[in-house]
Amino acid sequence: RKEVEQDPGPFNVPEGATVAFNCTYSNSASQSFFWYRQDCRKEPKLLMSVYSSGNEDGRFTAQLNRASQYISLLIRDSKLSDSATYLCAVNGGNDYKLSFGAGTTVTVRA
Amino acid sequence: NAGVTQTPKFQVLKTGQSMTLQCAQDMNHNSMYWYRQDPGMGLRLIYYSASEGTTDKGEVPNGYNVSRLNKREFSLRLESAAPSQTSVYFCATGIQPQHFGDGTRLSIL
Repeated sequence: RKEVEQDPGPFNVPEGATVAFNCTYSNSASQSFFWYRQDCRKEPKLLMSVYSSGNEDGRFTAQLNRASQYISLLIRDSKLSDSATYLCAVNGGNDYKLSFGAGTTVTVRA
Repeated sequence: NAGVTQTPKFQVLKTGQSMTLQCAQDMNHNSMYWYRQDPGMGLRLIYYSASEGTTDKGEVPNGYNVSRLNKREFSLRLESAAPSQTSVYFCATGIQPQHFGDGTRLSIL
């Protein structure tokens, strides 16, 4: 089983829609969780950290479900510019290194 | 403030050739990493360096060597390139989160 797994999508949504997707992780001792955004042929860029109580950054909401070992990302009022691949990253318990999912592709259409 | 700088941006090699990918960071982090990214595979860790003078193998180290020249620089060397090493290579620095360079696109024929 991979350490971090994501639904590859693609999620095709109209502008203004809400889209949400999850990322599951296998190490129950993981403590740090992140969402990165990656545009085509570009480097991953940190979108947001994921906190235990859940957190928002504008139209983006991240949640952590420790019992079921997944994190989620919700995008409200989708914009064309939100089209990208979203990678989740999780540390391995006491290890500071991150394991990355293969990414979920989101395409927002006009 | 450049963050993480990788050179070259693109490279085409023939099987058996060698080359070194360079990475430099000005973020004053101790940790540095080399990843490769292949379609459908996500980012896979090749080698990492927790601090100047130390390096450790990651998930896919075979066929690669690294050098942590100083705090700023971490290079990745392919001694005898193989077509299976065709990939996009990213250098990163930092601890939770990590910050990435803009990648080196390497094709091996």
